[in-house]
Amino acid sequence: GAGVSQTPSNKVTEKGKYVELRCDPISGHTALYWYRQSLGQGPEFLIYFQGTGAADDSGLPNDRFFAVRPEGSVSTLKIQRTERGDSAVYLCASSFSGANVLTFGAGSRLTVL
Amino acid sequence: DAKTTQPTSMDCAEGRAANLPCNHSTISGNEYVYWYRQIHSQGPQYIIHGLKNNETNEMASLIITEDRKSSTLILPHATLRDTAVYYCIVRPRGNAGKSTFGDGTTLTVKP
Repeated sequence: GAGVSQTPSNKVTEKGKYVELRCDPISGHTALYWYRQSLGQGPEFLIYFQGTGAADDSGLPNDRFFAVRPEGSVSTLKIQRTERGDSAVYLCASSFSGANVLTFGAGSRLTVL
Repeated sequence: DAKTTQPTSMDCAEGRAANLPCNHSTISGNEYVYWYRQIHSQGPQYIIHGLKNNETNEMASLIITEDRKSSTLILPHATLRDTAVYYCIVRPRGNAGKSTFGDGTTLTVKP
């Protein structure tokens, strides 16, 4: 596609529920990144994929967070047993392999009530 | 990645040059300086990057000091649409992986 697409753009859920956030990267970009951004702060790294494999998941805060990219294109960020502190904008970015110029999507705003 | 330090906020008059500083005193020889900006409710957008020479593109100019410990992003003729948070990042080029964003500089362009 022309840009990085993220769905849903907004998600409101209740504490304890399961949430999935989807990212469609730019066609041909083999690297995919997830970031989380809380209000008033810069993006915080969560996980990075090179192809289908997670090359660096050091930013995932705990085992409630998990991400997959089974075919090396679309990625899904999964959050189990959501907590109010998970409320944030979740940003996805993609790039060509070895490149440092990231193209970001508009983000998915998650609100946990 | 090397740590960067940026002022929290800056104002600029519309039509004037906006000069945004960034300190990166612990930068390594193989690390580049990258700038992104984030307009409200959008994802960050790449602006420019450089190693040690000054760089210019259609969006901005990047001036890196000779010792590479600091840099300045210049928007030559700021418009109201340039109001955004600007992030300075340093990292090796050609090494895909996480980029560490700080809290950036909030630039407000005023009429």
